[in-house]
Amino acid sequence: GAVVSQHPSRVICKSGTSVKIECRSLDFQATTMFWYRQFPKQSLMLMATSNEGSKATYEQGVEKDKFLINHASLTLSTLTVTSAHPEDSSFYICSARVLTGSALFLNGYTFGSGTRLTVV
Amino acid sequence: SQQGEEDPQALSIQEGENATMNCSYKTSINNLQWYRQNSGRGLVHLILIRSNEREKHSGRLRVTLDTSKKSSSLLITASRAADTASYFCATGTSGGSYIPTFGRGTSLIVHP
Repeated sequence: GAVVSQHPSRVICKSGTSVKIECRSLDFQATTMFWYRQFPKQSLMLMATSNEGSKATYEQGVEKDKFLINHASLTLSTLTVTSAHPEDSSFYICSARVLTGSALFLNGYTFGSGTRLTVV
Repeated sequence: SQQGEEDPQALSIQEGENATMNCSYKTSINNLQWYRQNSGRGLVHLILIRSNEREKHSGRLRVTLDTSKKSSSLLITASRAADTASYFCATGTSGGSYIPTFGRGTSLIVHP
């Protein structure tokens, strides 16, 4: 249980275009989701916290106009990278906090499988 | 700021050997979690240990927690080539309303 499905797994886009990444909680309601970015052999850096029905909270240094986050339902959060540039190429991962369900996930988090974005 | 810092950064062992990696953190916690990440993939939750627990087992995994030293260790016994991955720790603060923050992880390579 407590699965987050993230799509697409890989995407290549041209500079200047926009890319949307989706994360869906399949068997639980995710009132809060988190978006991370990871460069090769680096840690996961939190970009923003996405709350259902309200505006996302962005970490310092993350451009909210560039990384648009929408959390319109309890099972779906999207991250749109607008006007993508090569420096936006990275691995993006979403996560949702699981408050109920099996004890394994109580106060735990479940992660999507990640999206490898390459901007050419 | 990074709450969990893993050590060592890289570990290379032979199949069958045990692998031990450590995590240090800075503030008081409610729980600590260990995750595994295969190359280019998302994180997989391995185990959660609460602040009132000192040791926890799950299959070949053994996690210890020393709140006085603000550290945790993950032991993988009888390692397999399939254990090759990066391992991260993340901490939870009181009330459970925390956001996992990660260090750079420990990159484990298990040679067959």
